[in-house]
Amino acid sequence: KQEVTQIPAALSVPEGENLVLNCSFTDSAIYNLQWFRQDPGKGLTSLLLIQSSQREQTSGRLNASLDKSSGRSTLYIAASQPGDSATYLCAVLNTGGFKTIFGAGTRLFVKA
Amino acid sequence: DVKVTQSSRYLVKRTGEKVFLECVQDMDHENMFWYRQDPGLGLRLIYFSYDVKMKEKGDIPEGYSVSREKKERFSLILESASTNQTSMYLCASSLMGRDTEAFFGQGTRLTVV
Repeated sequence: KQEVTQIPAALSVPEGENLVLNCSFTDSAIYNLQWFRQDPGKGLTSLLLIQSSQREQTSGRLNASLDKSSGRSTLYIAASQPGDSATYLCAVLNTGGFKTIFGAGTRLFVKA
Repeated sequence: DVKVTQSSRYLVKRTGEKVFLECVQDMDHENMFWYRQDPGLGLRLIYFSYDVKMKEKGDIPEGYSVSREKKERFSLILESASTNQTSMYLCASSLMGRDTEAFFGQGTRLTVV
């Protein structure tokens, strides 16, 4: 059974710092991995999608990597800003079905 | 731009009421999903649909049903609302296929009193 773990559960950094959020998964038989952002009380906003054949994806200050064989993904945020404060979730789409399995998320606080 | 719209942001219902949560997407996506999100439990899949009139149970379907009469609309039904169904409900959609991106609605915060 696929399990997705995100470490740390919460993170507080000063503005301007570069940071890395981690995601691990137990079953490497995935189609893709997706990173989302969620603001309090809101829905999920898709940030980056990495297909199983890819190693990384970039969007602006965000860079996500995928190492399928080791079951790991990282989300790198450069030059963090207070507006980056949110919960970040990773999710994997398993092969052999429609199910997307989510991690519990990392709550990020960027202090001005 | 993909848009997934949930009919209500906030709902308050009484125990035993029948509750309808509506979700509409405008990008002709085949797949649609209903999740609930609770502190400490993360997102859990309730039901999903991969075509009109097709539905599959997710991880926690008990107490819920769904309806997909049109491709763009996926409804979640609480047959008899209970207090343990107080939660944030999230709808999502995606294209058929393994390399597609999931898009979410803004969420419905349901409180059952």
